[in-house]
Order: sequence, then structure tokens, then C-alpha cells
Amino acid sequence: KAGVTQTPRYLIKTRGQQVTLSCSPISGHRSVSWYQQTPGQGLQFLFEYFSETQRNKGNFPGRFSGRQFSNSRSEMNVSTLELGDSALYLCASSLASGVPPYEQYFGPGTRLTVT
Amino acid sequence: AQKVTQAQTEISVVEKEDVTLDCVYETRDTTYYLFWYKQPPSGELVFLIRRNSFDEQNEISGRYSWNFQKSTSSFNFTITASQVVDSAVYFCALHNTDKLIFGTGTRLQVFP
Repeated sequence: KAGVTQTPRYLIKTRGQQVTLSCSPISGHRSVSWYQQTPGQGLQFLFEYFSETQRNKGNFPGRFSGRQFSNSRSEMNVSTLELGDSALYLCASSLASGVPPYEQYFGPGTRLTVT
Repeated sequence: AQKVTQAQTEISVVEKEDVTLDCVYETRDTTYYLFWYKQPPSGELVFLIRRNSFDEQNEISGRYSWNFQKSTSSFNFTITASQVVDSAVYFCALHNTDKLIFGTGTRLQVFP
């Protein structure tokens, strides 16, 4: 069974630009969560999508947005990039959403560098 | 407030030593779930264990074992006879309202 895939793996952007990251979950998984990992703030939850609906959102500005498609693939978008957005963005998929929480399987991440 | 504290930033051991990674959590919920993940240099987080608040039995999986103590709000992770391949960053996490709250991680370096 293929794991979670994220594209691209590496990205360099300039301040003020926007970026779209893609995540393909494990086949059969319907929930996708996004996390930002930085040396200063650690791993922080961005949002979760289940059945094309955003179920939960972390404490990030509106410049961070996402969506999920009918095939469960998800994209996240960051507009008006700032230097502080440089991070490893991790996507995680799970069978479903809710409690008890399902195991989340993480992708390799997209390393975004903003210059 | 929901919070996970991993006080050990970095631990270095020599192969075959036992090592314990500490995790202390804060939550007001009576039902909650705790996780451990491993992040090797490749960057991908690997799920290790999930434990719910009603199950205080310690768990052992090969060289890995977990000690869950509600009385001290701790969920510690022990690697027995460590190996170089265990070198990674280990994260403890608390599940809260559909999201994982991660600790800051403990970097484990195992030297041959």
C-alpha cells in the first residue's frame, strides 16, 4: 500500500508570493491533516479535512487555507508569503476523523523556504 | 490548557544502553489519548503508539516500552539496548478536539 505522498518535496519562494502544496493520502483514508514544523515553534496543527469539509483549524492567520477534493487529496495554500513561513509542512492521513482518534500516517513533508 | 512537555532536548547514549524519554502532559479532559511518534532524519513522522486515558497498563513492543502514569500525568518511553538506528527525534503528543498537540521533541543520538 502506498504511503502518504506530498509534492513538491522542496520549494523556494520569494516574500509576497503564494504557494500551493499537495498531499495524496493513503488509499481509503478520508481524513487529511496539515502541520507546520519549525525549529522555533515545533510541530503545530494547521487544519484537518474530512469528506471535503474542514473539521478543525489551528491558530494560523487567514493566509493559510486548504481544501480537500472528492478523492480525498488535499491542497494547502499560503498567500502573501512571509519569511516566517519557511518550514517543513507535513501532511497526515487517517481512515476517518473523530474520537477515538485514528492513527495518523505522515508524509515526508514539503520543505518551503521563503527568501 | 492542553500542553505536552518534553523537558529533555537532546540525549546521547552509546549503543546497547537503555534510555528513557520523558513526557508530561496537561489536560482537563477525563478522556484523552496520548501518542509517541519518531522522526528520523528523512523527516517523516512514524507512529509508535497510541494510549487512551483509561488504559494504564504498561506496554512493551520489542525493545520499546511505555510507562503511563495518570497520577503524575506522564507517559514515558524507554528504549532497551539502544541501537544506532534509533537515532531520531521523538515526539510525544496529546490528542485534543481532533488535533494533535505535540511536545517539542527529544533528539536521541545513539553512538556506536
